[in-house]
Amino acid sequence: GESVGLHLPTLSVQEGDNSIINCAYSNSASDYFIWYKQESGKGPQFIIDIRSNMDKRQGQRVTVLLNKTVKHLSLQIAATQPGDSAVYFCAERRKDRGAGNMLTFGGGTRLMVKP
Amino acid sequence: NAGVMQNPRHLVRRRGQEARLRCSPMKGHSHVYWYRQLPEEGLKFMVYLQKENIIDESGMPKERFSAEFPKEGPSILRIQQVVRGDSAAYFCASSPVGQGLAAGELFFGEGSRLTVL
Repeated sequence: GESVGLHLPTLSVQEGDNSIINCAYSNSASDYFIWYKQESGKGPQFIIDIRSNMDKRQGQRVTVLLNKTVKHLSLQIAATQPGDSAVYFCAERRKDRGAGNMLTFGGGTRLMVKP
Repeated sequence: NAGVMQNPRHLVRRRGQEARLRCSPMKGHSHVYWYRQLPEEGLKFMVYLQKENIIDESGMPKERFSAEFPKEGPSILRIQQVVRGDSAAYFCASSPVGQGLAAGELFFGEGSRLTVL
């Protein structure tokens, strides 16, 4: 669900290591869960999504895991690179909102990659 | 294929003035969404529009804010009598008719950053 905070949680990783970014959601009526990446001064960019009836989906260097039992979503980035430094947001598309791609965003995690 | 275009990128207004933010969706996209982002926070949904129709405005403040997406031209987010609390980044996103390439994929613009003095 939505979260509001004064400071974004930060994950700091070494270049080449794997990164895991977590997100908790509250609404069980969502049909898709999505990860977005936002670089400083730019708009969010779609990374990957997962349908609610799946528990894992892989993309290029990224994997999204969905655990509906505990309402938890994670994004795994393999071999993290300096270009991965950004704020990552999870989002959900609620079935009850009808047609379209209206999304509800979480609070975000800042990923910092150390060279 | 040009992406979502927003202007102005930066806008400064004094309290009580009006702010108009414009958004041209990607070519072929007829669905537009506006989001607001405060510093260090997530994006908050404001309004969802299709050409000449407001589909969902559940995130819009009841007063001073309005949005339109005319048959011709860009979508406009209008804020009347701005207050300091309106200072934020306003993002527009678009998607094709129905659903995007991926179900949750919205294409975002670079945002319009409003500062109210």
